Amino acid sequence: EVQLVESGGGLVKPGGSLRLSCAASGFSFSDAWMTWVRQATGKGLEWVGHIKSRNDGGTTDYAAPVKGRFTISGDDSKNTLFLQMNSLKTEDTAVYYCATVRHSYGRYFDYWGQGMLVTVSS
Amino acid sequence: SYVLTQPPAVSVAPGQTATIPCGGNDIGSKSVYWYQQKPGQAPVLVVYDDSARPSGIPERFSGSNSGNTATLTITRVEAGDEADYHCQVWDASRDHPEFGGGTKLTVL
Repeated sequence: EVQLVESGGGLVKPGGSLRLSCAASGFSFSDAWMTWVRQATGKGLEWVGHIKSRNDGGTTDYAAPVKGRFTISGDDSKNTLFLQMNSLKTEDTAVYYCATVRHSYGRYFDYWGQGMLVTVSS
Repeated sequence: SYVLTQPPAVSVAPGQTATIPCGGNDIGSKSVYWYQQKPGQAPVLVVYDDSARPSGIPERFSGSNSGNTATLTITRVEAGDEADYHCQVWDASRDHPEFGGGTKLTVL
């Protein structure tokens, strides 16, 4: 059974930093693309970024609003995905989800974590 | 960027059929994915590759995609289907996803 368990959320002041973790099990983490998606209260889903599998180069890509401030990384030895968030802004307040990326005719997200609330406020 | 447009809300009576559209320029040439999200929960994939259903998703959920509109159809709607539904495509030109704004399905 695939499980994604997130941790590390909380309250942080504007300009501060926070690191989210996503512990994965039930699949080959090192062979998977992984993504972070966020959702502000009452809003739709917003892609944050993804990391490709090692076989596909292990590179990362980010949405424009977070590029240069957020970094996605993975530890294959611990089956854990990370989202390092720096220079946080109030508009980064959202529930953050990690998810697995599946490739078929297009790419989509087949398993999701439970979500972790990040609140950026003074 | 590629824009997906969904109506904010759709209402349907129990037992009837709900149709939730997702509009985009020539969306019929792309693969469309649908997620169901109940309050306080993570999204759940209900349709992939336009019309396929993951294991465990009832046959009442189906999808279609042609021209400028993709559609999620839920037949014999139940109270438990009340949720937000999000469509998604993968923008190959930028190699990242786009989501619609989501549609809140209310079961009257």
